[in-house]
Amino acid sequence: NAGVTQTPKFRILKIGQSMTLQCTQDMNHNYMYWYRQDPGMGLKLIYYSVGAGITDKGEVPNGYNVSRSTTEDFPLRLELAAPSQTSVYFCASSSDNSYNEQFFGPGTRLTVL
Amino acid sequence: AQTVTQSQPEMSVQEAETVTLSCTYDTSESNYYLFWYKQPPSRQMILVIRQEAYKQQNATENRFSVNFQKAAKSFSLKISDSQLGDTAMYFCAFMKHSGGGADGLTFGKGTHLIIQP
Repeated sequence: NAGVTQTPKFRILKIGQSMTLQCTQDMNHNYMYWYRQDPGMGLKLIYYSVGAGITDKGEVPNGYNVSRSTTEDFPLRLELAAPSQTSVYFCASSSDNSYNEQFFGPGTRLTVL
Repeated sequence: AQTVTQSQPEMSVQEAETVTLSCTYDTSESNYYLFWYKQPPSRQMILVIRQEAYKQQNATENRFSVNFQKAAKSFSLKISDSQLGDTAMYFCAFMKHSGGGADGLTFGKGTHLIIQP
């Protein structure tokens, strides 16, 4: 049971480039989330999903897109990378109960130059 | 919208001492959940303790306990017999009940706790 896995661990992008951050969970969780963590700050919610085919915006969705075609996978797409998107990105999942723990992946450190 | 405030950017204590981290929050929700997460240098987010707002009894997990004051909207974390491995960033987080947990956590900015040998 690997939990929540994210790839890549690190990435440097040039302004205007695109990339997809991958997230996979093997716990059969319905709920999945993407957060970003800027230096010295807490995590902020980018997008979330309550199940395959259903996604919704969080607090800071601009510049990102997501899809959820399977229960296991929840990729995050950056279409035109900007320096403001330099951050650490965390994927998380939980079962469909608000008291249940969110399990986090190890994070992806993204730098946009 | 909810806000979570952690007023202590950094704290430092000696090993084996007791330390309390502060957290206040603002919400119009009547039912919600509160969490403390730990983030060591490895960057991994680890759940430390959680509290249901409708429960008056404060949660405890071994050396970790909370002081939940609903009227004051305060949720502090007490770490007893602190250990070197407790050195980490600690984040207070809020989740409203009405969304069924689907709409994620709202985090504070964190407190960097340093345990000195």
